[in-house]
Amino acid sequence: AAGVIQSPRHLIKEKRETATLKCYPIPRHDTVYWYQQGPGQDPQFLISFYEKMQSDKGSIPDRFSAQQFSDYHSELNMSSLELGDSALYFCASSLVGSWQYFGPGTRLTVT
Amino acid sequence: AQTVTQSQPEMSVQEAETVTLSCTYDTSESDYYLFWYKQPPSRQMILVIRQEAYKQQNATENRFSVNFQKAAKSFSLKISDSQLGDAAMYFCAYRSVIQGAQKLVFGQGTRLTINP
Repeated sequence: AAGVIQSPRHLIKEKRETATLKCYPIPRHDTVYWYQQGPGQDPQFLISFYEKMQSDKGSIPDRFSAQQFSDYHSELNMSSLELGDSALYFCASSLVGSWQYFGPGTRLTVT
Repeated sequence: AQTVTQSQPEMSVQEAETVTLSCTYDTSESDYYLFWYKQPPSRQMILVIRQEAYKQQNATENRFSVNFQKAAKSFSLKISDSQLGDAAMYFCAYRSVIQGAQKLVFGQGTRLTINP
């Protein structure tokens, strides 16, 4: 069965640079969630989209923005990167109201 | 806001034995979902088991079962016949049923070690 695809899987950036993470949900899933997992921490919700509209917002810094496109893929844009942004970023997708399926994550390292 | 607490940062168990991981949560909602996720060294988040709050019967998935105590807001995971492949970080998670608020809220995690 098709799974959630995230790209890139690994990303190394320098401070103050910009990063774009991509998420391709399971076909026919209409909802996408983004989570950030810092080292030794639990995943923290950032933002979600349902049918291309933002549906919920968590502790997402103003330096981050995200959107869901017409083909339902989503992108998380991160600007003015800081060392503290180094984390594993998960995307999850679901049919609205159903279970979330996680992608493999993108490991972002900011140096 | 909902909170999830896992009070056991680490647990260990002998292979083939049974272990129980604890989780408590706080919510004012009457209907919701609870989950246990496994995160092995690969860091992939794997759904282990889920429980709908309106169901009184405890969920079971092969060697994994839960003890859901709604009044006590407790949701423990029991792993029977522990196997080396069960070694991982385990996260308890809560999800509302309210549309637009269905993000997962995770506990701090419990690292489970299996001793051969």
